[in-house]
Amino acid sequence: SQQGEEDPQALSIQEGENATMNCSYKTSINNLQWYRQNSGRGLVHLILIRSNEREKHSGRLRVTLDTSKKSSSLLITASRAADTASYFCATADNQAGTALIFGKGTTLSVSS
Amino acid sequence: GAVVSQHPSRVICKSGTSVKIECRSLDFQATTMFWYRQFPKQSLMLMATSNEGSKATYEQGVEKDKFLINHASLTLSTLTVTSAHPEDSSFYICSATQQPGRGYTFGSGTRLTVV
Repeated sequence: SQQGEEDPQALSIQEGENATMNCSYKTSINNLQWYRQNSGRGLVHLILIRSNEREKHSGRLRVTLDTSKKSSSLLITASRAADTASYFCATADNQAGTALIFGKGTTLSVSS
Repeated sequence: GAVVSQHPSRVICKSGTSVKIECRSLDFQATTMFWYRQFPKQSLMLMATSNEGSKATYEQGVEKDKFLINHASLTLSTLTVTSAHPEDSSFYICSATQQPGRGYTFGSGTRLTVV
């Protein structure tokens, strides 16, 4: 099962620009996490935001969470070519408290 | 930090054979492990949840007799793809947690190609 949608599905930008990805989910959550995946490789955990938090920063990453709208956004500032990857949001279900459920992902391409 | 080791990273097998993938938590006891499958250009789809010492819980549409999961210890879960077919070719990733809903650690994934 999948939790929700990410948009855009694909995003192409120039180095130095900001990239914003959005994620929506369906159920009540304990937390929401963002992961990055380079082509054909494993997942890299980027940031976790708890359900009682509204915004969180980590380096060039900024994540927001709006539990009333069941949505989150990931902002990557001053993007670099090395940021080229797929980005997924994932949620931990509040009730089941079990597996992370992933969104469909956004493929980001940053050209130099 | 928590580390999960997944082996093999790549495997090519002939159609009809079985393949075993191992997922080990190296520095923590994983009460629960999860197995995901990812087809090209798609997201991770949860296949099953395994708890140490009990039967795995499979997601709808996942054949439990085809994808055998064993979680015999607190540090090891295995996924065996039985009678593999080309359509089983995919990227399989495991995840482990000490406490569901909190920290999840992912293995590096296994690229399975069935020829």
